[in-house]
Amino acid sequence: DTEVTQTPKHLVMGMTNKKSLKCEQHMGHRAMYWYKQKAKKPPELMFVYSYEKLSINESVPSRFSPECPNSSLLNLHLHALQPEDSALYLCASSQVDLGVFSYEQYFGPGTRLTVT
Amino acid sequence: GQQLNQSPQSMFIQEGEDVSMNCTSSSIFNTWLWYKQDPGEGPVLLIALYKAGELTSNGRLTAQFGITRKDSFLNISASIPSDVGIYFCAGQHAGGTSYGKLTFGQGTILTVHP
Repeated sequence: DTEVTQTPKHLVMGMTNKKSLKCEQHMGHRAMYWYKQKAKKPPELMFVYSYEKLSINESVPSRFSPECPNSSLLNLHLHALQPEDSALYLCASSQVDLGVFSYEQYFGPGTRLTVT
Repeated sequence: GQQLNQSPQSMFIQEGEDVSMNCTSSSIFNTWLWYKQDPGEGPVLLIALYKAGELTSNGRLTAQFGITRKDSFLNISASIPSDVGIYFCAGQHAGGTSYGKLTFGQGTILTVHP
């Protein structure tokens, strides 16, 4: 099973709202990623978690707050977003063996976020 | 950061034609990956390459890891309408950090006319 699921599929939120994006994988992967993607552009890495610990934060504004409650789940909490934050938010996961990352990342279908 | 130059940016072809796209870098990469993304969906991993000179096929797709480790190409043979989408190359830079960080090309938008 190489499936990564994301909810919701679509989200519209105002600039004063608080919302959360959810991601789940059941492949036993120990690395999980959040990406932001604008139309017809490549994904841009935001955060990397390995063994439920934050490993990389690509200087993402604090209005994006990631959380990894367990090895299968990854959340992205959103607060006070700006219209320019509207994008497709992708979750991905990959294996980690003895601390060595596999670069084969498996992506979820994404959450289409619109900030009004 | 490290950049991948992916070309062409877009292609318009007739069904049945073969397609070729490539990625180049001025730096050495340890791993090359090719993804396809359909509209409104996440990227799907097509092929992963790990050794210089490696040639790997997946159905009508063939990809190669360049000998210099600075480039990779993807060929699609006998294209069909469902090949439409954006194709991204991605790589793990040899001198990069760990934690699975990938560098992505800018994508090739493929349109197939029936």
